[in-house]
Amino acid sequence: RKEVEQDPGPFNVPEGATVAFNCTYSNSASQSFFWYRQDCRKEPKLLMSVYSSGNEDGRFTAQLNRASQYISLLIRDSKLSDSATYLCVVNRNNFNKFYFGSGTKLNVKP
Amino acid sequence: DGGITQSPKYLFRKEGQNVTLSCEQNLNHDAMYWYRQDPGQGLRLIYYSQIVNDFQKGDIAEGYSVSREKKESFPLTVTSAQKNPTAFYLCASSSDSSAFREQYFGPGTRLTVT
Repeated sequence: RKEVEQDPGPFNVPEGATVAFNCTYSNSASQSFFWYRQDCRKEPKLLMSVYSSGNEDGRFTAQLNRASQYISLLIRDSKLSDSATYLCVVNRNNFNKFYFGSGTKLNVKP
Repeated sequence: DGGITQSPKYLFRKEGQNVTLSCEQNLNHDAMYWYRQDPGQGLRLIYYSQIVNDFQKGDIAEGYSVSREKKESFPLTVTSAQKNPTAFYLCASSSDSSAFREQYFGPGTRLTVT
């Protein structure tokens, strides 16, 4: 079983829509959780760290559900510029290694 | 400007040649990482280093080698033993002093071997 699993998409949504991605992780010892954004042929860029209590940054909201071992990313009022691949990443702090999902592709259409 | 630099951006080599990819960071991060990304796939860890003069194999270390002689630098050599070297190579670093140890990435090197 993969450490981190994501729906590859693509999610095709109109501008202004709300879209949500989920990501599941297999190891209950995972301690830190992140969402990264990766544009085509570019490096991943940190979007948000995911706090235990959930956190919000503008139009983006991240949630963590430890009992069910998943994290989610909600994007409100989608913009064309949100089109990208969103990577879910988990870390087991004791090992200093990061586990990446394969990414969920989002296409925001005019 | 703090950040991670990788050079070159594009690299072309003939099969059978070793090639070294550069990664430098001025973020004062202790940990550095090398990943490989193939089209439509996630990142796979090649090597990582938590401290100078120490490094550990990741999930796909065969055919690669690294060194960590300075905190700022973590070069990756792709040897002729690597069967499918054509890929997008990403270097990253993270700080142990951060509660979350977020990773930050360089712009990557696209290696094509023919």
